[in-house]
Amino acid sequence: GAVVSQHPSWVICKSGTSVKIECRSLDFQATTMFWYRQFPKQSLMLMATSNEGSKATYEQGVEKDKFLINHASLTLSTLTVTSAHPEDSSFYICSAPQNFLATNYGYTFGSGTRLTVV
Amino acid sequence: GENVEQHPSTLSVQEGDSAVIKCTYSDSASNYFPWYKQELGKRPQLIIDIRSNVGEKKDQRIAVTLNKTAKHFSLHITETQPEDSAVYFCAASLKSYQKVTFGTGTKLQVIP
Repeated sequence: GAVVSQHPSWVICKSGTSVKIECRSLDFQATTMFWYRQFPKQSLMLMATSNEGSKATYEQGVEKDKFLINHASLTLSTLTVTSAHPEDSSFYICSAPQNFLATNYGYTFGSGTRLTVV
Repeated sequence: GENVEQHPSTLSVQEGDSAVIKCTYSDSASNYFPWYKQELGKRPQLIIDIRSNVGEKKDQRIAVTLNKTAKHFSLHITETQPEDSAVYFCAASLKSYQKVTFGTGTKLQVIP
C-alpha cells in the first residue's frame, strides 16, 4: 500500500533554533500534503495544506513565517519550525490523500515527529 | 469551516460488550467520514469510513452509521477486546482527498 515516510521520528532542540521535518511518499506521487499538529491528549489540528509547485495554504491562526512549508517535488514535502520555542513542542504529522486509485480513497499518514523544545 | 464534535470523551466497557461513539458535523456539504484509531505516540489508523451515499457500513466487529439529514454519524464496536483500547477519532471532509477535520477524540478502555 501507499507509504509516507516521515523523519525524524523525534527531535529535541534548543529554544531559538529551527527544525526541519520531512515527509516523503515512497510509492506514489503526493501532489498534496496535509500537516497536522497534535498536543498531548488533544485532537489533530490541521496547520496547513501544501501543494506541489505552489504556495502552501495555512489555516487560520497558524503563522506562515514560523512554520515554513515546502513542497518542491511530487514525493517530498517539508515543514520547518523556525525559531522554535517550548510552546511549539508537539507531535507533528503529515498526511497525503490517495486520490489516484479508483476504489481506495483515503489518506496515508506519516509516522509523526515528536518535537521537544528546551 | 467544518466543525466536528465527538462524544463521549472517555468510554469504559467490559470486554465483550459493545461500544458506541457519536459525532456531529456542521458542514452539510461534507461527504466523506473516516474513523481512526490512534495508539499513544503512533499515527492514526483508518478503521472504517463511509461516504454520504451510504447509510451504514460494516466490517466484522465494526460498523458505522450516517444520518445526513441530522448531520451525525456513529461508530459501533461489538464484542470489544482489550486490544480495542485506544483513542478513536471521527473525521469529516468534503471529498476523500480534501482536508480532513477531526473530532475531539474518545479514549476507549476495554476492561478484561
